[in-house]
Amino acid sequence: DFVMTQSPDSLAVSLGERATINCKSSQTVLYSSNNRNYLAWYQHKPEQPPRLLISWASTRQSGVPDRFSGSGSGTDFTLTISSLQAEDVAVYYCQQYYSNPPTFGQGTKLEIK
Amino acid sequence: EVQLVESGGDLVQPGGSLRLSCAASGFTFSTYWMSWVRQAPGKGLEWVANIKQDGSEKYFVDSVKGRFTISRDNAKNSLYLQMNSLRAEDTAVYFCARDHIEGLYFYFDVWGKGTTVTVSS
Repeated sequence: DFVMTQSPDSLAVSLGERATINCKSSQTVLYSSNNRNYLAWYQHKPEQPPRLLISWASTRQSGVPDRFSGSGSGTDFTLTISSLQAEDVAVYYCQQYYSNPPTFGQGTKLEIK
Repeated sequence: EVQLVESGGDLVQPGGSLRLSCAASGFTFSTYWMSWVRQAPGKGLEWVANIKQDGSEKYFVDSVKGRFTISRDNAKNSLYLQMNSLRAEDTAVYFCARDHIEGLYFYFDVWGKGTTVTVSS
């Protein structure tokens, strides 16, 4: 199975500052035939369902604020929140869907400094 | 509003059984693959199983094969997870999720809030 490793495990950022979460896959998730990265990002707040933020490594879902962006290719990916808002406090997960079973990173807990 | 609501979580003894349910609303349930995903205490997310629109194909993570079954009732817009021979390591919050399929592979575009299963004597 693909192993997804996120860093850091937790992160404290001041309101209005940039937050960066990294995700590394044990194998490439870039499909050469279509040049697409099979990588998604989710946000999970307490007492709420997880929410899909980004698919294909960088495609933001409808309704997701544009302060959230995804980047990277192959094995190394980044979720960036350009200006942290209080409502962004959550745990963030990456997930590969290049190979079955789909696997997730261990999560990164984002807090306000 | 698109919504998934899980139920059926409980405290159960090792070796016991439990059936989880997921009620779907706000979308055409019968046209989607559906999954169960779990989160053990202090751990990350783990995909458990999924089922095709008509129930003809089902897939499981290795750790639950032979113990868990997944089913659905499209007339009731409901998804189920029958869990047998439960172990302490099955203790987790179980989420129902809608699959977004890309060829053979998938991510999850709608989730429920989850239901808690505790396996302990």
